[in-house]
Amino acid sequence: GAGVSQSPSNKVTEKGKDVELRCDPISGHTALYWYRQSLGQGLEFLIYFQGNSAPDKSGLPSDRFSAERTGGSVSTLTIQRTQQEDSAVYLCASSLLAEGTGELFFGEGSRLTVL
Amino acid sequence: KQEVTQIPAALSVPEGENLVLNCSFTDSAIYNLQWFRQDPGKGLTSLLLIQSSQREQTSGRLNASLDKSSGRSTLYIAASQPGDSATYLCAVRGRETSGSRLTFGEGTQLTVNP
Repeated sequence: GAGVSQSPSNKVTEKGKDVELRCDPISGHTALYWYRQSLGQGLEFLIYFQGNSAPDKSGLPSDRFSAERTGGSVSTLTIQRTQQEDSAVYLCASSLLAEGTGELFFGEGSRLTVL
Repeated sequence: KQEVTQIPAALSVPEGENLVLNCSFTDSAIYNLQWFRQDPGKGLTSLLLIQSSQREQTSGRLNASLDKSSGRSTLYIAASQPGDSATYLCAVRGRETSGSRLTFGEGTQLTVNP
């Protein structure tokens, strides 16, 4: 597709379970970002990938969160031992350029509910 | 640390009215500023992108301005329509942050009444 694709669109899980969220960026975009939007909160930066460089993980809230990007394209965000406070919409964005003037394009998000 | 503030937090107007949404940021070392629209339960749709060297951008009924030196941007919506009802988010792409990540404001929730 032409846009950023995320799956699943909705995920309901039980506390303590692991979840994986997937992001397929726009073809050719070298930069990929994960953000989290909690109910009534602003968007919180989680992690950033640029090509084959080491990712910037400075926004990850705990060591239960991890992400990888395979082949410079698809990214997976993994949350281990989910907690109720992890409930949020997880948004992925990609940009043609990592640094500078590029525009960011967002996917529709994955809504996670932890019971 | 970059901070982005949007005023007002919520706005309700009658259809047809012209309106202005405000965004301010604390660090003027930015590459650009982007305005987004978010409908309930949806992702973010990019509306306008203003580079740091530009003063304004226009798309249809939308006009966004940027005054980098004072750390301010406005989004002007002309002849508002009920379909404009959404949350509008302002975000700056900073030169000082890794990957030039976007820093977002809290958003303005706009309701346009028929």
